[in-house]
Amino acid sequence: AQTVTQSQPEMSVQEAETVTLSCTYDTSESDYYLFWYKQPPSRQMILVIRQEAYKQQNATENRFSVNFQKAAKSFSLKISDSQLGDAAMYFCAYSVRDMRFGAGTRLTVKP
Amino acid sequence: NAGVTQTPKFQVLKTGQSMTLQCAQDMNHNSMYWYRQDPGMGLRLIYYSASEGTTDKGEVPNGYNVSRLNKREFSLRLESAAPSQTSVYFCASSEYAPRVSDTQYFGPGTRLTVL
Repeated sequence: AQTVTQSQPEMSVQEAETVTLSCTYDTSESDYYLFWYKQPPSRQMILVIRQEAYKQQNATENRFSVNFQKAAKSFSLKISDSQLGDAAMYFCAYSVRDMRFGAGTRLTVKP
Repeated sequence: NAGVTQTPKFQVLKTGQSMTLQCAQDMNHNSMYWYRQDPGMGLRLIYYSASEGTTDKGEVPNGYNVSRLNKREFSLRLESAAPSQTSVYFCASSEYAPRVSDTQYFGPGTRLTVL
């Protein structure tokens, strides 16, 4: 069975600093996709970043980057220069035939 | 371009009542999905539709039915609501079939309470 684990229910970061959110997954597949979604208080799910498993290069999107370790089945999200608007729930997701989500990490940004 | 829209935003039902959640997308996407989100858990897939006229079960389909009315619309029906179906429901769409694992775009969600 596909499972996604986010071991940090809550994280806190000071504005302008860097924070890393952890995610591990379990699969026997060799080709799959990984995603980080952000869910602010509005409940809207917003795609932050996506990584194809066959690509060794880590994906980046402006202040957001991932550390993808395929052998370790690890997919962490690094947020640099944190902003107040980054405060939200962050969900890691894994997809082959359907998408499976982790339980989420609530990120608080302190001014 | 509204993206993915859902109606209603909030709903309260009594046990045994039925209702239909509506979802529409204007991105000309082929695939559509219904998820539920419960406290302390990530989203779980209820049903999906890879293309117009097809539907398939996801991880938690029991107690639900779906209809892919046309390419734009995908509805979720609760025939006899139970308190265990209290949740936030999200509709999503993606350009390609699920196996291609394309990015999914989500609606704003419907908060459903079953008393």
